[in-house]
Order: sequence, then structure tokens, then C-alpha cells
Amino acid sequence: GQQLNQSPQSMFIQEGEDVSMNCTSSSIFNTWLWYKQDPGEGPVLLIALYKAGELTSNGRLTAQFGITRKDSFLNISASIPSDVGIYFCAGQEEYGNKLVFGAGTILRVKS
Amino acid sequence: EAQVTQNPRYLITVTGKKLTVTCSQNMNHEYMSWYRQDPGLGLRQIYYSMNVEVTDKGDVPEGYKVSRKEKRNFPLILESPSPNQTSLYFCASSIARGLSEAFFGQGTRLTVV
Repeated sequence: GQQLNQSPQSMFIQEGEDVSMNCTSSSIFNTWLWYKQDPGEGPVLLIALYKAGELTSNGRLTAQFGITRKDSFLNISASIPSDVGIYFCAGQEEYGNKLVFGAGTILRVKS
Repeated sequence: EAQVTQNPRYLITVTGKKLTVTCSQNMNHEYMSWYRQDPGLGLRQIYYSMNVEVTDKGDVPEGYKVSRKEKRNFPLILESPSPNQTSLYFCASSIARGLSEAFFGQGTRLTVV
């Protein structure tokens, strides 16, 4: 099955820095989602995007649905230690019945 | 409280011994699915169910079975587990097919020796 290309694979940043990660797909998606997974927990939805070009914020998080419908990015501003975790993008293909997930971006924050 | 509950959280078993991981949701969601999470591969869908008695294969269904006799429950069955099924498993539910508010359980870490 298809998997999304998510990058970077991991990041180790200084507290206070901004973070950016993205996902690309070879096919068109009609929904993009961003999840965060804390150690020992299941993924939790951060932001959902439903329209090409849509830009949505959730606190320090901002995500965009790419115009081509084949990509999305997530930005985290002014990172803090509790931002540590694995971030996943997920998308639903135009004619699909399921979510497809990226491999995840591991974020570590140095305080 | 809205939640997806999986049991057990941890399980170590031997090759060939049938096991069932239960999943239950209290949100009256129609859509439920099972994923496995492996390092570097993200979450891959095993099976999904769009409603009671309606199930279909995801990307990696081999070696697994599911059933959906009631709306709230979606058990994952491994008839004859093998070591390559050692993984972290997540159950998820959502209002409609795979969309937005997909709630995930806390995960079941399975080790097959």
C-alpha cells in the first residue's frame, strides 16, 4: 500500500526554535491530518485540513494543505520540552476508504 | 469520557498460540480500524470496518482476522502468531470512513517468541 514521504525523519533542536516538517504524496489527497504520539500512547489528532490551500493553526502549531493536494506541512513555533514526541502526517486519498500514514518525524528538544 | 480501549496493553506469547486483542469504543462510531506500528514504517492499516458486519482488508492483512458483530467492538485475532507479528498495535475509531476525528487506543505491545 501507499505510504507518504515524511521528512525529516528526526530533529534535535534547541528549546525556543521553530520546527518545520512536511509530507508529500504521489497521489491526490482530499484530507490531510497531523498527529502527535507521546511515548507509550496512541496518536492524538493535532490539526485536520480539508481544502487545498487551507492554513490552520492550533496554538503554536500551524499546518497547511498544499495547493496541488499532494503535500502538507506542519510548523511548530517556539518549541518547548513537551513538544517531544513523534509527529505523523496522514492523508485520505481522493477515492479511498482509509488513512495513509507517513513514517513519522521524531522530535527531540534540548532545554 | 470518549475513548477507545484496547486490551491487553502488553502481551508476550509463543509462536502458534492463538490470541485476541480486544478493542472497544464508546462514541457510537461507525468506522473502526486496526494498525500496526513498526520503526521507520509509521502506521500501517491491517483491517478496517465501515459498520457492523462490514470489514475489509487494509495494507497488511496477512495473518490477521477481525470481526464486527457489534458497533462498539472490533477484536483483532491472530490465529497462529509468528515472530514477524511482533509489533505495536493500535485500534482507532471515527465517525465516518477514516476521516478527521480518528481516536486511537493506547496501544498493545505484542511480542511473539
